[in-house]
Amino acid sequence: DAGVTQSPTHLIKTRGQQVTLRCSPKSGHDTVSWYQQALGQGPQFIFQYYEEEERQRGNFPDRFSGHQFPNYSSELNVNALLLGDSALYLCASSFSTGQETQYFGPGTRLLVL
Amino acid sequence: SQQGEEDPQALSIQEGENATMNCSYKTSINNLQWYRQNSGRGLVHLILIRSNEREKHSGRLRVTLDTSKKSSSLLITASRAADTASYFCATDAAPGFQKLVFGTGTRLLVSP
Repeated sequence: DAGVTQSPTHLIKTRGQQVTLRCSPKSGHDTVSWYQQALGQGPQFIFQYYEEEERQRGNFPDRFSGHQFPNYSSELNVNALLLGDSALYLCASSFSTGQETQYFGPGTRLLVL
Repeated sequence: SQQGEEDPQALSIQEGENATMNCSYKTSINNLQWYRQNSGRGLVHLILIRSNEREKHSGRLRVTLDTSKKSSSLLITASRAADTASYFCATDAAPGFQKLVFGTGTRLLVSP
């Protein structure tokens, strides 16, 4: 049973560029959440997708957007990258009801120069 | 913003000793979860305790929850070098929406 997978594992971009990160949820999970973890900090919630719609959003600007596909996989897009966007981006998947445990992927480390 | 804080920020012990980490949070919760993170990689789920539970065990882990004090503790017994990692508590205040709010983490170092 494959767990949550994310791609790419590492990424280097320059300020102003755009980036797309990808996530495949654990088998059977229908909800995907994205988190940003700055160095030395705990993860912070970006948004959550269920049934291909954004269900909840954290305190992140509109430069951060996402998408969920019919197979439940998801993308996180960040436009107009800033140096402060450098972080580990984590994807987590879960069942929409009943289970509250979220299973995390290995993350994508983004460096903005 | 972070929901709360873990205490201590860093903990260094010898193999075989017990490690205790504390977590405080600010708002009412539905449940509280503990995660482990090795070397800045993905988070591994350790244990979930619901707001109506006071204590839970899983292998060498023991978690307590005191909702009146808005605090939780994670005890790792008979620690091993492989337990070296950062440990985070996360709260889920809204049932069904699963938005996790994390603390700042405790960095545990277990020396052989």
